[in-house]
Amino acid sequence: GQQLNQSPQSMFIQEGEDVSMNCTSSSIFNTWLWYKQDPGEGPVLLIALYKAGELTSNGRLTAQFGITRKDSFLNISASIPSDVGIYFCAGQRTGANSKLTFGKGITLSVRP
Amino acid sequence: GAGVSQSPSNKVTEKGKDVELRCDPISGHTALYWYRQSLGQGLEFLIYFQGNSAPDKSGLPSDRFSAERTGGSVSTLTIQRTQQEDSAVYLCASSERGGGQPQHFGDGTRLSIL
Repeated sequence: GQQLNQSPQSMFIQEGEDVSMNCTSSSIFNTWLWYKQDPGEGPVLLIALYKAGELTSNGRLTAQFGITRKDSFLNISASIPSDVGIYFCAGQRTGANSKLTFGKGITLSVRP
Repeated sequence: GAGVSQSPSNKVTEKGKDVELRCDPISGHTALYWYRQSLGQGLEFLIYFQGNSAPDKSGLPSDRFSAERTGGSVSTLTIQRTQQEDSAVYLCASSERGGGQPQHFGDGTRLSIL
């Protein structure tokens, strides 16, 4: 099935650095979401975006819904060790079936 | 608890056996979703329940997979005659209603088929 494109598969940064992750699609979504998953746990919602062009922050996290509705990015500022995990983007279309379409995720490692 | 609850957390079974996975959604959430996460992959949609409407089963990979939601709350995902490629983490999510409301996930059931 269709998946969103996230790359690279892994990212390694130094504690205190900022990091940006991008997510792209060949088709339009009405809602973009970013989730973080820790080992052995389910994904936890970080930020939800509902309007093209929308820029939303949640603490050190900032995410934007692309103007074309085909992409989104997530920025983490001043990274800390607990930011380690897998970051998934997900797209959603409004309609009878509001299933999420996920990217394959980016594994973030933070060196202290 | 206040979150989505799934059981069992881990299940190991032999090829050919049937398995049942359970999901308790957040109280009051009318929409319930099942997803499958294979190793190193994103989540793959399986099935969606919304209130009393007929479920959307478009993501189920074969007729060995089925799901029920009784009383608009608890859901059970059943896999019959399991195969090794069914090994994955099965995640359940719920939302207040469908149509774009944020989905909140349980911690999943890790299924291993020997």
